[in-house]
Amino acid sequence: DTGVSQDPRHKITKRGQNVTFRCDPISEHNRLYWYRQTLGQGPEFLTYFQNEAQLEKSRLLSDRFSAERPKGSFSTLEIQRTEQGDSAMYLCASSPTGGATDTQYFGPGTRLTVL
Amino acid sequence: QKEVEQNSGPLSVPEGAIASLNCTYSDRGSQSFFWYRQYSGKSPELIMFIYSNGDKEDGRFTAQLNKASQYVSLLIRDSQPSDSATYLCAVRKSNSGYALNFGKGTSLLVTP
Repeated sequence: DTGVSQDPRHKITKRGQNVTFRCDPISEHNRLYWYRQTLGQGPEFLTYFQNEAQLEKSRLLSDRFSAERPKGSFSTLEIQRTEQGDSAMYLCASSPTGGATDTQYFGPGTRLTVL
Repeated sequence: QKEVEQNSGPLSVPEGAIASLNCTYSDRGSQSFFWYRQYSGKSPELIMFIYSNGDKEDGRFTAQLNKASQYVSLLIRDSQPSDSATYLCAVRKSNSGYALNFGKGTSLLVTP
Protein backbone atom coordinates (compact mmCIF):
# COMPACT_ATOMS: atom_id res chain seq x y z
CA ASP A 1 0.00 0.00 0.00
CA THR A 2 1.82 3.06 -1.23
CA GLY A 3 -0.71 5.83 -0.83
CA VAL A 4 -4.25 7.05 -0.49
CA SER A 5 -6.53 5.71 -3.20
CA GLN A 6 -9.84 7.09 -4.40
CA ASP A 7 -12.54 5.68 -6.61
CA PRO A 8 -13.80 6.63 -9.09
CA ARG A 9 -11.29 9.06 -10.51
CA HIS A 10 -13.90 10.76 -12.63
CA LYS A 11 -17.66 10.96 -12.34
CA ILE A 12 -20.11 12.66 -14.66
CA THR A 13 -23.69 12.85 -13.47
CA LYS A 14 -26.87 14.70 -14.18
CA ARG A 15 -28.26 17.29 -11.81
CA GLY A 16 -30.45 15.71 -9.18
CA GLN A 17 -28.69 12.34 -9.15
CA ASN A 18 -26.90 10.90 -6.11
CA VAL A 19 -23.21 10.06 -6.24
CA THR A 20 -20.91 8.21 -3.86
CA PHE A 21 -17.13 8.34 -3.69
CA ARG A 22 -14.79 6.00 -1.89
CA CYS A 23 -11.46 6.67 -0.21
CA ASP A 24 -8.96 4.11 1.08
CA PRO A 25 -6.38 5.73 3.36
CA ILE A 26 -2.77 4.74 3.87
CA SER A 27 -2.65 1.62 6.03
CA GLU A 28 -2.60 2.34 9.75
CA HIS A 29 -3.52 6.00 9.28
CA ASN A 30 -6.17 6.70 11.84
CA ARG A 31 -7.29 10.07 10.55
CA LEU A 32 -9.09 10.59 7.27
CA TYR A 33 -10.13 13.89 5.73
CA TRP A 34 -12.33 15.06 2.87
CA TYR A 35 -11.68 18.30 1.01
CA ARG A 36 -13.22 19.90 -2.05
CA GLN A 37 -11.28 21.94 -4.58
CA THR A 38 -12.62 24.11 -7.38
CA LEU A 39 -10.61 25.65 -10.18
CA GLY A 40 -8.26 28.38 -9.01
CA GLN A 41 -8.91 27.74 -5.33
CA GLY A 42 -7.11 25.84 -2.64
CA PRO A 43 -8.72 22.75 -1.12
CA GLU A 44 -11.58 23.49 1.29
CA PHE A 45 -12.05 21.28 4.32
CA LEU A 46 -15.28 19.28 4.47
CA THR A 47 -14.96 16.77 7.28
CA TYR A 48 -12.61 14.43 9.10
CA PHE A 49 -12.66 11.14 10.95
CA GLN A 50 -10.53 9.66 13.64
CA ASN A 51 -11.04 5.94 13.28
CA GLU A 52 -14.80 5.58 12.76
CA ALA A 53 -15.76 8.77 14.60
CA GLN A 54 -16.61 11.85 12.55
CA LEU A 55 -15.07 14.59 14.69
CA GLU A 56 -15.47 17.74 12.66
CA LYS A 57 -17.66 18.98 9.84
CA SER A 58 -17.40 22.22 7.91
CA ARG A 59 -20.31 24.55 7.28
CA LEU A 60 -19.68 23.67 3.63
CA LEU A 61 -21.00 20.20 4.32
CA SER A 62 -24.69 20.82 3.67
CA ASP A 63 -27.33 18.27 4.55
CA ARG A 64 -27.02 16.88 1.02
CA PHE A 65 -23.55 15.65 1.90
CA SER A 66 -22.88 12.71 4.16
CA ALA A 67 -19.68 10.90 4.97
CA GLU A 68 -19.07 7.63 6.72
CA ARG A 69 -16.16 5.53 7.88
CA PRO A 70 -17.97 2.56 9.36
CA LYS A 71 -15.05 0.35 10.31
CA GLY A 72 -12.38 2.95 10.67
CA SER A 73 -10.75 1.97 7.39
CA PHE A 74 -12.19 3.20 4.07
CA SER A 75 -14.59 6.12 3.89
CA THR A 76 -17.42 7.11 1.59
CA LEU A 77 -18.71 10.55 0.71
CA GLU A 78 -22.22 10.74 -0.70
CA ILE A 79 -23.80 13.74 -2.35
CA GLN A 80 -27.56 13.60 -2.74
CA ARG A 81 -29.53 15.57 -5.32
CA THR A 82 -26.41 16.92 -6.97
CA GLU A 83 -26.31 20.50 -8.19
CA GLN A 84 -24.07 22.09 -10.80
CA GLY A 85 -22.26 23.93 -8.00
CA ASP A 86 -21.10 20.56 -6.66
CA SER A 87 -18.79 20.19 -9.65
CA ALA A 88 -15.31 20.05 -8.17
CA MET A 89 -12.38 17.80 -7.33
CA TYR A 90 -13.08 15.84 -4.16
CA LEU A 91 -9.89 15.05 -2.33
CA CYS A 92 -9.30 12.57 0.42
CA ALA A 93 -6.29 12.70 2.72
CA SER A 94 -5.07 10.61 5.61
CA SER A 95 -2.65 11.09 8.46
CA PRO A 96 -1.26 9.01 11.29
CA THR A 97 -2.10 9.88 14.87
CA GLY A 98 0.66 11.12 17.07
CA GLY A 99 3.46 13.49 16.21
CA ALA A 100 3.49 17.23 16.36
CA THR A 101 2.28 18.09 12.92
CA ASP A 102 -0.32 15.56 11.75
CA THR A 103 0.94 15.59 8.20
CA GLN A 104 -1.80 14.89 5.68
CA TYR A 105 -1.19 12.93 2.48
CA PHE A 106 -3.64 13.33 -0.36
CA GLY A 107 -5.12 10.82 -2.73
CA PRO A 108 -5.48 11.44 -6.49
CA GLY A 109 -8.97 12.89 -6.10
CA THR A 110 -12.34 12.27 -7.72
CA ARG A 111 -13.34 14.84 -10.30
CA LEU A 112 -17.10 15.35 -10.31
CA THR A 113 -18.91 17.01 -13.19
CA VAL A 114 -22.61 17.74 -12.73
CA LEU A 115 -24.42 18.45 -15.99
CA GLN B 1 -9.47 39.07 5.49
CA LYS B 2 -8.88 35.59 4.20
CA GLU B 3 -7.36 33.24 6.73
CA VAL B 4 -4.46 32.19 4.50
CA GLU B 5 -3.30 34.52 1.77
CA GLN B 6 -0.94 33.92 -1.11
CA ASN B 7 -0.11 35.92 -4.17
CA SER B 8 -1.70 33.99 -7.03
CA GLY B 9 1.11 34.85 -9.44
CA PRO B 10 2.20 33.69 -11.85
CA LEU B 11 5.71 33.97 -10.51
CA SER B 12 8.21 33.52 -13.30
CA VAL B 13 11.85 32.72 -12.59
CA PRO B 14 14.64 31.55 -14.89
CA GLU B 15 16.06 28.07 -14.54
CA GLY B 16 18.72 27.91 -11.83
CA ALA B 17 17.39 30.92 -9.92
CA ILE B 18 15.86 31.01 -6.45
CA ALA B 19 12.07 31.09 -6.31
CA SER B 20 10.54 32.74 -3.25
CA LEU B 21 6.93 31.99 -2.36
CA ASN B 22 5.17 33.78 0.47
CA CYS B 23 2.12 33.16 2.61
CA THR B 24 0.47 35.11 5.43
CA TYR B 25 -2.10 33.84 7.89
CA SER B 26 -4.55 35.48 10.24
CA ASP B 27 -4.87 33.05 13.16
CA ARG B 28 -2.09 34.01 15.54
CA GLY B 29 -2.53 30.73 17.43
CA SER B 30 -1.76 28.56 14.40
CA GLN B 31 0.79 25.89 15.15
CA SER B 32 1.60 23.90 12.04
CA PHE B 33 2.36 25.07 8.51
CA PHE B 34 2.63 23.07 5.34
CA TRP B 35 3.69 23.59 1.75
CA TYR B 36 2.14 21.44 -0.95
CA ARG B 37 2.93 21.33 -4.65
CA GLN B 38 0.12 20.74 -7.12
CA TYR B 39 0.61 20.06 -10.80
CA SER B 40 -2.26 20.91 -13.10
CA GLY B 41 -5.00 18.30 -12.84
CA LYS B 42 -3.26 16.44 -10.02
CA SER B 43 -3.70 16.33 -6.26
CA PRO B 44 -1.54 18.22 -3.74
CA GLU B 45 1.80 16.66 -2.89
CA LEU B 46 3.47 17.46 0.43
CA ILE B 47 6.79 19.27 0.15
CA MET B 48 7.54 20.38 3.68
CA PHE B 49 6.08 21.21 7.05
CA ILE B 50 7.35 23.60 9.70
CA TYR B 51 6.15 24.47 13.16
CA SER B 52 9.04 26.32 14.82
CA ASN B 53 10.21 29.83 14.08
CA GLY B 54 13.21 29.95 11.80
CA ASP B 55 14.35 28.01 8.78
CA LYS B 56 13.97 24.36 7.86
CA GLU B 57 15.89 22.96 4.91
CA ASP B 58 15.21 19.85 2.86
CA GLY B 59 17.28 19.49 -0.28
CA ARG B 60 16.59 22.43 -2.59
CA PHE B 61 13.67 23.59 -0.44
CA THR B 62 13.79 25.87 2.60
CA ALA B 63 10.73 26.78 4.63
CA GLN B 64 10.85 29.88 6.78
CA LEU B 65 8.43 30.68 9.58
CA ASN B 66 7.96 33.94 11.47
CA LYS B 67 5.07 33.61 13.91
CA ALA B 68 5.39 37.18 15.18
CA SER B 69 4.80 38.50 11.67
CA GLN B 70 2.43 35.65 10.79
CA TYR B 71 4.12 34.66 7.58
CA VAL B 72 5.64 31.54 6.17
CA SER B 73 7.69 31.29 3.03
CA LEU B 74 9.16 28.64 0.76
CA LEU B 75 12.43 29.08 -1.08
CA ILE B 76 13.32 26.83 -3.99
CA ARG B 77 16.99 26.92 -4.91
CA ASP B 78 18.31 26.00 -8.34
CA SER B 79 14.80 26.09 -9.78
CA GLN B 80 14.06 23.57 -12.52
CA PRO B 81 11.34 23.60 -15.19
CA SER B 82 9.88 20.56 -13.41
CA ASP B 83 9.23 22.83 -10.40
CA SER B 84 6.61 24.68 -12.46
CA ALA B 85 3.40 24.08 -10.54
CA THR B 86 1.04 25.71 -8.08
CA TYR B 87 2.34 25.90 -4.53
CA LEU B 88 -0.23 25.75 -1.78
CA CYS B 89 0.34 27.07 1.72
CA ALA B 90 -1.72 25.32 4.40
CA VAL B 91 -2.16 26.22 8.05
CA ARG B 92 -3.59 24.14 10.85
CA LYS B 93 -5.75 26.42 12.92
CA SER B 94 -5.44 26.51 16.67
CA ASN B 95 -9.13 25.89 17.33
CA SER B 96 -10.10 23.53 14.56
CA GLY B 97 -8.88 20.06 15.33
CA TYR B 98 -6.76 18.88 12.47
CA ALA B 99 -8.41 20.58 9.49
CA LEU B 100 -6.08 22.52 7.22
CA ASN B 101 -6.84 25.96 5.82
CA PHE B 102 -5.34 26.43 2.40
CA GLY B 103 -4.43 29.53 0.48
CA LYS B 104 -5.38 29.79 -3.17
CA GLY B 105 -1.87 28.89 -4.20
CA THR B 106 0.90 30.62 -6.12
CA SER B 107 1.56 29.57 -9.69
CA LEU B 108 5.28 29.19 -10.37
CA LEU B 109 6.74 29.08 -13.86
CA VAL B 110 10.40 28.20 -14.28
CA THR B 111 11.61 29.13 -17.72
CA PRO B 112 14.50 27.29 -19.41
